[in-house]
Amino acid sequence: QQQVKQSPQSLIVQKGGISIINCAYENTAFDYFPWYQQFPGKGPALLIAIRPDVSEKKEGRFTISFNKSAKQFSLHIMDSQPGDSATYFCAGTGANNLFFGTGTRLTVIP
Amino acid sequence: EAEVAQSPRYKITEKSQAVAFWCDPISGHATLYWYRQILGQGPELLVQFQDESVVDDSQLPKDRFSAERLKGVDSTLKIQPAELGDSAMYLCASSFGRGAEAFFGQGTRLTVV
Repeated sequence: QQQVKQSPQSLIVQKGGISIINCAYENTAFDYFPWYQQFPGKGPALLIAIRPDVSEKKEGRFTISFNKSAKQFSLHIMDSQPGDSATYFCAGTGANNLFFGTGTRLTVIP
Repeated sequence: EAEVAQSPRYKITEKSQAVAFWCDPISGHATLYWYRQILGQGPELLVQFQDESVVDDSQLPKDRFSAERLKGVDSTLKIQPAELGDSAMYLCASSFGRGAEAFFGQGTRLTVV
């Protein structure tokens, strides 16, 4: 059972555009929602995270929007750059395991 | 900057052989995770430790996989015997505690031939 569902599977964006990745979760016990960025051959790196007591968190060009009632959250990458080309994973965790989405491969075209 | 150390980075082994991976978490992190990531998919939890105790190994194929964290610091994941389907990236992560942000190592890329 997929605890966190992620879409789209792949995304192509022009340089300077906005990249949007969506996730939905089932487990209402989740209280921490991180996003990870992974480059080929590397381990996932924590990008930004949010707790459900806030609806939005912004760090530089990266913003998480959180809708607790809908059990959905999304990552927005503003002014997307070729260096942002990577695979992005959303995740959710409560007291125990960290569950990952299936990933979104982002390609930013120069 | 503190980081999770894993070794080896790459491992090629023959089917039915034994293989072991090592992980040294960030100092002070009580929670340690081992994940398996098949190419093109998200990481899937194999085992989670809190200090030296296993808190979740429900997805660990215990007939061939074993994991230990004897002194509550570094950890070893073993596969014996390895099968072709075990080819994947094996990732170690650590965090201060359950539900806290987890930091990943570079992973060990295993190829079983």
